[in-house]
Amino acid sequence: AQTVTQSQPEMSVQEAETVTLSCTYDTSESDYYLFWYKQPPSRQMILVIRQEAYKQQNATENRFSVNFQKAAKSFSLKISDSQLGDAAMYFCAYRTFKSQGGSEKLVFGKGTKLTVNP
Amino acid sequence: NAGVTQTPKFRILKIGQSMTLQCTQDMNHNYMYWYRQDPGMGLKLIYYSVGAGITDKGEVPNGYNVSRSTTEDFPLRLELAAPSQTSVYFCASSYAEPVSPLHFGNGTRLTVT
Repeated sequence: AQTVTQSQPEMSVQEAETVTLSCTYDTSESDYYLFWYKQPPSRQMILVIRQEAYKQQNATENRFSVNFQKAAKSFSLKISDSQLGDAAMYFCAYRTFKSQGGSEKLVFGKGTKLTVNP
Repeated sequence: NAGVTQTPKFRILKIGQSMTLQCTQDMNHNYMYWYRQDPGMGLKLIYYSVGAGITDKGEVPNGYNVSRSTTEDFPLRLELAAPSQTSVYFCASSYAEPVSPLHFGNGTRLTVT
């Protein structure tokens, strides 16, 4: 079974600085998709960024970027120029690719709580 | 844009009672999911559906049932509520393509006492 591990239960960063959240996963498949979701205190789950495993180029969305290391099964999230509104729980997630017989489900890590200090 | 709508937002149940958590989406998504989120934990999949009439168990299905009679609706039924079912429940939906992100509802906070 696929597992997703976020080794940092909590992280903090000063406003305007950069922080990196770690995520590793375990899989025997070659095609899959990785996501970072943000959950602010409002409880709403919001997509931050996504990465297709077959793409070597790291995904970027404005201040958010990933460092995807397929061989190491690592998918870290970098937040640049941190803002107070970035404070939230961040969840890493893995999704299988149907044609390989994997079930259509998203597996989540336990999350990292990010605090942004003014 | 309604997106994914969950009702109710909050509910308190007594042990042994039953209830249905409602979920509806207006994005014509084939896939729908129910997750539960316990404090300090990630989301665990309860049940999912890849289309009307098709459902399958996730990681933690015991104590729950689902049905998918239409594309839009995916209710979650709790029979004989137990304190272990105290959690926040999220419904989500997506297109079939694996790269498609999940769209989540705002969650239902359920307490069983």
